[in-house]
Amino acid sequence: DADVTQTPRNRITKTGKRIMLECSQTKGHDRMYWYRQDPGLGLRLIYYSFDVKDINKGEISDGYSVSRQAQAKFSLSLESAIPNQTALYFCATSPRPSGWIGTGELFFGEGSRLTVL
Amino acid sequence: QKEVEQDPGPLSVPEGAIVSLNCTYSNSAFQYFMWYRQYSRKGPELLMYTYSSGNKEDGRFTAQVDKSSKYISLFIRDSQPSDSATYLCALSHYNQGGKLIFGQGTELSVKP
Repeated sequence: DADVTQTPRNRITKTGKRIMLECSQTKGHDRMYWYRQDPGLGLRLIYYSFDVKDINKGEISDGYSVSRQAQAKFSLSLESAIPNQTALYFCATSPRPSGWIGTGELFFGEGSRLTVL
Repeated sequence: QKEVEQDPGPLSVPEGAIVSLNCTYSNSAFQYFMWYRQYSRKGPELLMYTYSSGNKEDGRFTAQVDKSSKYISLFIRDSQPSDSATYLCALSHYNQGGKLIFGQGTELSVKP
């Protein structure tokens, strides 16, 4: 089984609908992230959480919200989806830093492809 | 101006070629430099990381950082079809955890 599991893997929805993407992990990491990937733009950080009671906005948080239900679960919501939110969404985890080595390695899920019509 | 610029390619090379992938960045505060590899329909995975200027080698892969020029490179020697993937550079500031700034990614295809 994958260490970082995202559901659904694919979703097509209509403008104005509420969508939730879910992420669960078995790696025991404290830190969880939601990134968005668009062609030509790379990966951009939407929200991140360093522990259950910590939620922070990333580079492109407008139009999104998150919930950290437990150490292992982090969900991303689009309250009212719009077409420019069509993208590939990745959940990632990382351990708490132990020296500088822990500052950069992210463990990604396999992605959730969202299409908003 | 984007903080990190990466030629998106696509790049197509014959098997056995030497591949050079590059990123430039604008903020001298970046201290950690990484390369992620992403196969089709998969999430990215860390390939190499480095902290200081200079070279770091791991098998057929060499990561090079030139902080004075704000330029990072990944070299792949004796490229194989299994190296076909998208390569993303990623940078972070000190103590920023997983808040990485990614390049656009370069799609590489190695032809047998």
